[in-house]
Amino acid sequence: GAGVSQSPSNKVTEKGKDVELRCDPISGHTALYWYRQRLGQGLEFLIYFQGNSAPDKSGLPSDRFSAERTGESVSTLTIQRTQQEDSAVYLCASSGAGGPSDTQYFGPGTRLTVL
Amino acid sequence: DAKTTQPPSMDCAEGRAANLPCNHSTISGNEYVYWYRQIHSQGPQYIIHGLKNNETNEMASLIITEDRKSSTLILPHATLRDTAVYYCIVRVYSGGSNYKLTFGKGTLLTVNP
Repeated sequence: GAGVSQSPSNKVTEKGKDVELRCDPISGHTALYWYRQRLGQGLEFLIYFQGNSAPDKSGLPSDRFSAERTGESVSTLTIQRTQQEDSAVYLCASSGAGGPSDTQYFGPGTRLTVL
Repeated sequence: DAKTTQPPSMDCAEGRAANLPCNHSTISGNEYVYWYRQIHSQGPQYIIHGLKNNETNEMASLIITEDRKSSTLILPHATLRDTAVYYCIVRVYSGGSNYKLTFGKGTLLTVNP
C-alpha cells in the first residue's frame, strides 16, 4: 500500500515568510510524528499526535512552530516568520498506535531552505 | 538526547557481512532497540527492532546482548545499495502513549566493490 507522503518535496522561502508543510500518513495509522533534521545531524523530535488526545508538543523549538492534524489523517506543520536556522529537512512518520514496540514509517521529507 | 553510541563510520566489502555495533548501556527494561537507515536525501527506512531476543527478518539480523547494554545489526551479504547512515535508536517515553525515537548521528556504512 501507499506509504507516508509529504509535500512539497522542496521549499525555498525568504526570511520572515510563513510556510506550511503537509504530511499524509499511512491509511489507518493513528499516531503521527514530525521530526527535523539539520544538515549532517540526527533527527530531532518536534511533535506527536495520537488519535484525539492532546498532542505532545514538547519538541517544538519555539512558538513560531505549530502543527495540526485533522482526525487521523492529514497533518500540517506551520512555521511562522521563518529564520535561516529553520533550514532543514522536515520528516513526518506514522505508526499504528504509538506504543513502545510500534514501528514508525517515515515519509521522504520536505527540504526547507530559508534565504 | 541520544542514548546510544555508534562508531561514526565503517567500511565493508560487497558480498561480505556488515556488523554494525551499538552501545545502549542506560537502556531501561521496557525500551526497545530500533535500527533505521537513511540513504542520502531520503527519509529513514525501518530495518528491524527488538527487546531482548535476537531478531531476524528479510533485511537483517539483530543480536542483543543478554544484559541488553549493546547490540549488533548484521547485514549478511552487503551490497552497494546498502551504503547509508545506520541509526541505532531506543524508544524514549515522552508521556501519554508517546514513545518517540531519539536519533543520534549514526554510523555511515560504506560498501565497497
